[in-house]
Amino acid sequence: EPEVTQTPSHQVTQMGQEVILRCVPISNHLYFYWYRQILGQKVEFLVSFYNNEISEKSEIFDDQFSVERPDGSNFTLKIRSTKLEDSAMYFCASSEGPGGETQYFGPGTRLLVL
Amino acid sequence: ILNVEQSPQSLHVQEGDSTNFTCSFPSSNFYALHWYRWETAKSPEALFVMTLNGDEKKKGRISATLNTKEGYSYLYIKGSQPEDSATYLCASLNTGGFKTIFGAGTRLFVKA
Repeated sequence: EPEVTQTPSHQVTQMGQEVILRCVPISNHLYFYWYRQILGQKVEFLVSFYNNEISEKSEIFDDQFSVERPDGSNFTLKIRSTKLEDSAMYFCASSEGPGGETQYFGPGTRLLVL
Repeated sequence: ILNVEQSPQSLHVQEGDSTNFTCSFPSSNFYALHWYRWETAKSPEALFVMTLNGDEKKKGRISATLNTKEGYSYLYIKGSQPEDSATYLCASLNTGGFKTIFGAGTRLFVKA
């Protein structure tokens, strides 16, 4: 069964460094999402992406964050200058259609900023 | 309600018990309601997507209902099994269907 994959599974970085989290969505899906969960808190929406542009973003998704689909396969989340509070589990998800369609989640990347 | 609220926060039941939990969400600008099952160390697994008022969906022993006018959804598990132990998340999407607001989840423990 097709699945969403994410790399790396874990990443440790120093505050101020740039990180790129990678996702490979399910191949025929057109809508892509990033979420995060800070330990002990709710899952939070970061951004949705369709047709090579951002459809919607949350207040969390400030200028330090960017998303890209560089090659029609990967979907990346870049954090330019990481902060301690960016430490979280980051989930990528994809769906065939917008919100009324099932979203399939990847296994997540655990990011730790020191 | 500007937030998505789930209750109870956690629930302990015996194997064979039937149980249900509640998800309350903003009824204005409603687009869709998702239920997920999330086991520890795994990713959330989609259970249901519901869009229409009065929707009822069923998958095996698990079913869900939706009331968009009053902004709530119920998830029911009939004859709970230990393998049902997980966190059950609901998430509401606004008009346009792109921005998702998650509840904090209901943590279900089923004892054999």
